[in-house]
Formats: sequence, C-alpha cells, structure tokens
Amino acid sequence: AQSVAQPEDQVNVAEGNPLTVKCTYSVSGNPYLFWYVQYPNRGLQFLLKYITGDNLVKGSYGFEAEFNKSQTSFHLKKPSALVSDSALYFCAVRDTTGGGADGLTFGKGTHLIIQP
Amino acid sequence: NAGVTQTPKFQVLKTGQSMTLQCAQDMNHEYMSWYRQDPGMGLRLIHYSVGAGITDQGEVPNGYNVSRSTTEDFPLRLLSAAPSQTSVYFCASSSDWNTEAFFGQGTRLTVV
Repeated sequence: AQSVAQPEDQVNVAEGNPLTVKCTYSVSGNPYLFWYVQYPNRGLQFLLKYITGDNLVKGSYGFEAEFNKSQTSFHLKKPSALVSDSALYFCAVRDTTGGGADGLTFGKGTHLIIQP
Repeated sequence: NAGVTQTPKFQVLKTGQSMTLQCAQDMNHEYMSWYRQDPGMGLRLIHYSVGAGITDQGEVPNGYNVSRSTTEDFPLRLLSAAPSQTSVYFCASSSDWNTEAFFGQGTRLTVV
C-alpha cells in the first residue's frame, strides 16, 4: 500500500524568507510524486511532479522540490516566499508497481501562511 | 477551455435521499477519479476509472456508485445519503497516472 505523510499541519514563514513544506512517502516500488496547491473554495492546482530523472524538480510559481530516495522524502521549497503563496498544499504519491490501479494517495495537507 | 466541470456546486440532502454528482471533462482524458475532502484528512479516493466502461473502488467506496459510459462523463451516485457523507467532493481527470491531474471546483454536500 502507498502512503504519504505531511508532518506539519501549518507552516508560518515571513515574506521574503525561504520556505519548506515537508512530505515523506511509502511505496512498494518506485514513486510518482506530486505537489498540488489549493486556494480557498477552489479545486486543487498542479505545482510539480517527479517521475524519473533529476532529483530536483522545478514547477510553477517558483516552487521546486527535491526527491530523496534514501529518506523517502519530497519536500517542497521556494527561495523567497510571497504573501500570495499562502494556501493549503498537498503532497501525493502513486506507486509505479500499481499497474494503473489505485489512483493517487494524498497527504493531509499543510497550511502555508506567509506573514507580511 | 472548460477543463473539468462539476455540478452542482452546493447541495443539501436529507438523510436517506439519493442524488448524483455530475463530472464532465473536455480534454479526452482516460483517467478520472472522485475524491472527498474532509478537514484534517486530506483527499481520499472514492472511485476511479481508467477508461470508458472501466471503474474500480478506491479507499472509501462504501455508499457510492459510479459508472463511465463515455470518456467525458463520470457521475458519482449517493445511494442513500448519510450525515457521514457531508464533505466536499472533487472530480479529477488526467491523461495517465504519471501526468498532471486537473480538478473540478468541487461540490460541497451537506446531509442533514
């Protein structure tokens, strides 16, 4: 079975400072990993993904994430936070050994609050 | 470019009533899924489909039915609504499991 853990319910960062939102995963095989963002009363929007290749993945709005296989982590990062980055962030995983079944498993989400 | 369209946006049901949440996508995606979002629990997969005529259960399928008669549409049926089904429901579609999923705006369902 696949699972995702986002250990922080909320992360507070001052505007202009770097931010990190943590994610760890568990799969039987190799993972497909995703980050999504949700603004209030909206659906989820895709930020970035890791499938294979370079461990550092760059995505939308200046976000990036680093895949670390030994630590089974996929932390989301941004060098300089903006107030407009305040939202709910979800990490998601799919086990590539699933053969097309099971869909995505999401973490519980992390509220990111950027303080002016 | 509509993407994924969910209707209705809001719904209040009485316990025991049935209803269908509609989901349509215009991107010719094979993969479609239904999730429910509850506070502190993230998104949980209810049912998914890998193509017309093919559906399967996710993590929390009890009390819900789906069908996929066309590539575009993936309705979710609540058979006999219960207060535990009060939630926000999201439909999503993607061209494959390793590609970006597009989400609808959600349906906020309250069962009283």
